[in-house]
Amino acid sequence: GQQVMQIPQYQHVQEGEDFTTYCNSSTTLSNIQWYKQRPGGHPVFLIQLVKSGEVKKQKRLTFQFGEAKKNSSLHITATQTTDVGTYFCAGLTSGTYKYIFGTGTRLKVLA
Amino acid sequence: GAGVSQSPSNKVTEKGKDVELRCDPISGHTALYWYRQSLGQGLEFLIYFQGNSAPDKSGLPSDRFSAERTGGSVSTLTIQRTQQEDSAVYLCASRTVRGGNYEQYFGPGTRLTVT
Repeated sequence: GQQVMQIPQYQHVQEGEDFTTYCNSSTTLSNIQWYKQRPGGHPVFLIQLVKSGEVKKQKRLTFQFGEAKKNSSLHITATQTTDVGTYFCAGLTSGTYKYIFGTGTRLKVLA
Repeated sequence: GAGVSQSPSNKVTEKGKDVELRCDPISGHTALYWYRQSLGQGLEFLIYFQGNSAPDKSGLPSDRFSAERTGGSVSTLTIQRTQQEDSAVYLCASRTVRGGNYEQYFGPGTRLTVT
């Protein structure tokens, strides 16, 4: 079945350092979404990418969708302690509304 | 406005008992999802409802799991004869379309512990 993998599983960074998480799907996606889940909280929608090669920015966050629409990345510039949490990608294949969530990357930011 | 609500927030049950989890989606959201999240893991799709269409039940792990959505609003997820491996956080999300994005809004979840 379809799988969505994320790397790394965990990342500890010093405050101010950059952070990147990568998402890889076994199948071509029609769109990909990113969510953030704070410790003890529920996932919160961040962004949706639809087009091949699409890049979107939200302040210090940069999201990219690969040319083949099978991979995506989230890059955070100059991390802050408020960035702590688990970041999930969620892929959607054409003809379905079933989102397959990635395994998540847990980010810790050390002050 | 009000977000997605779920009840109960915590449920401890004995193995073999049935449990019912409730989700109140955001008013006007026609799509509703149930997911399961085990400790430190990702979200596992369980079931999807869209309007009056037949639900996509392809993620339900066994026939002990069932879900209903009455009147296109409130949904209940029922687990019969609970097993210890059913212990997890069960998350409900309702979905809307905003600016071309299909955004899922998650509830706080129900933490189920089967003893």
